Amino acid sequence: DTGVSQDPRHKITKRGQNVTFRCDPISEHNRLYWYRQTLGQGPEFLTYFQNEAQLEKSRLLSDRFSAERPKGSFSTLEIQRTEQGDSAMYLCASSLQGARTNEKLFFGSGTQLSVL
Amino acid sequence: QKEVEQDPGPLSVPEGAIVSLNCTYSNSAFQYFMWYRQYSRKGPELLMYTYSSGNKEDGRFTAQVDKSSKYISLFIRDSQPSDSATYLCAMTGESSGSARQLTFGSGTQLTVLP
Repeated sequence: DTGVSQDPRHKITKRGQNVTFRCDPISEHNRLYWYRQTLGQGPEFLTYFQNEAQLEKSRLLSDRFSAERPKGSFSTLEIQRTEQGDSAMYLCASSLQGARTNEKLFFGSGTQLSVL
Repeated sequence: QKEVEQDPGPLSVPEGAIVSLNCTYSNSAFQYFMWYRQYSRKGPELLMYTYSSGNKEDGRFTAQVDKSSKYISLFIRDSQPSDSATYLCAMTGESSGSARQLTFGSGTQLTVLP
């Protein structure tokens, strides 16, 4: 399978705990995105990497959230001191920046986080 | 008021029907418009991508953009039970059409009955 892979698929945690999610993008893609989706809503942009550089962060990304993409390949998203409001589907996506303007985003199946 | 409004449905149609899905938006800077399909417990999958106003057809799917009315549509012809999913519109004003800051609608849940 050469699609975007996310791990774990589901995570249940208690309020106040730290959690970390992993995303493996499509191998040749240089751009990687994190989005968050709550029930009945569309995905909301969180942050974006081009290679290993984190170029943009949404104001939705509080100080408790940190994302890394250390070697320009896989990425991790960590949430510290989780709150019940963090419960959502965390989606990773990747794309290939090229000369064409119609950049196509490929999403993974997401990590469903439940904070009790 | 949200930048992108989408009727959440649910929408239920018989197999073979023509389905019309719509979004309205308020940001006149949006110029790239997309439709994604999302099956239950899966990530969104890009269906259609259009730039500025006009129509684009791909098989049973047709996307229309009317920038003057800030209104976009997705038509599905000869709908199939396998089309049952949530359909999300998305748009961006990025000059390069980059996906960096896509703004999504809330999605319309479609069920096609056999």
